[in-house]
Amino acid sequence: GDSVTQMEGPVTLSEEAFLTINCTYTATGYPSLFWYVQYPGEGLQLLLKATKADDKGSNKGFEATYRKETTSFHLEKGSVQVSDSAVYFCALRDDKIIFGKGTRLHILP
Amino acid sequence: GAGVSQSPSNKVTEKGKDVELRCDPISGHTALYWYRQSLGQGLEFLIYFQGNSAPDKSGLPSDRFSAERTGGSVSTLTIQRTQQEDSAVYLCASSSVGTSGPSSYNEQFFGPGTRLTVL
Repeated sequence: GDSVTQMEGPVTLSEEAFLTINCTYTATGYPSLFWYVQYPGEGLQLLLKATKADDKGSNKGFEATYRKETTSFHLEKGSVQVSDSAVYFCALRDDKIIFGKGTRLHILP
Repeated sequence: GAGVSQSPSNKVTEKGKDVELRCDPISGHTALYWYRQSLGQGLEFLIYFQGNSAPDKSGLPSDRFSAERTGGSVSTLTIQRTQQEDSAVYLCASSSVGTSGPSSYNEQFFGPGTRLTVL
């Protein structure tokens, strides 16, 4: 069945560091891909999405490119801030949404 | 405007008791989803409603779990004879439905969740 695998956390970085959170997927069809974010004490929010191969989703300085050849959707940000500390979930949607296990990100001032 | 709300925010119960968790979706959203977030397990899909019907119940882990939705709005997730492994955060989400039906993507908006602890 469809699945999502993302790097385990926690990931700890200093402010202004470059961030990559890896995500790969397995799907029989052509899913849409998403990154969701869960800030401390808040609900899940959609961060960005891409609906077809080579699409790039972007929001709040974060980017992810739908790579069909490597079945990946890695999340990147060039300069992280303390306020980016949260749990990040990679997800795909074919007939239903399937989430990865989440990656906790800590940004140190 | 109101987002998705869930109640209670926290529930502690004893093993073997029944619990009911409530979700109020965003007004006008016809699709409603229940997920379970267990420690170290990520988000697990439980059930999906389109209106009052549930075309996909594939994620319900056992027959102790059931859900209903009335009036195309509020949904209740019921867990009977709770077990310790049921302890988790139960999340509800709602979305509008795209023109291609349930499989078309419209953003899901999540509630804050109900943290269930079974002692």
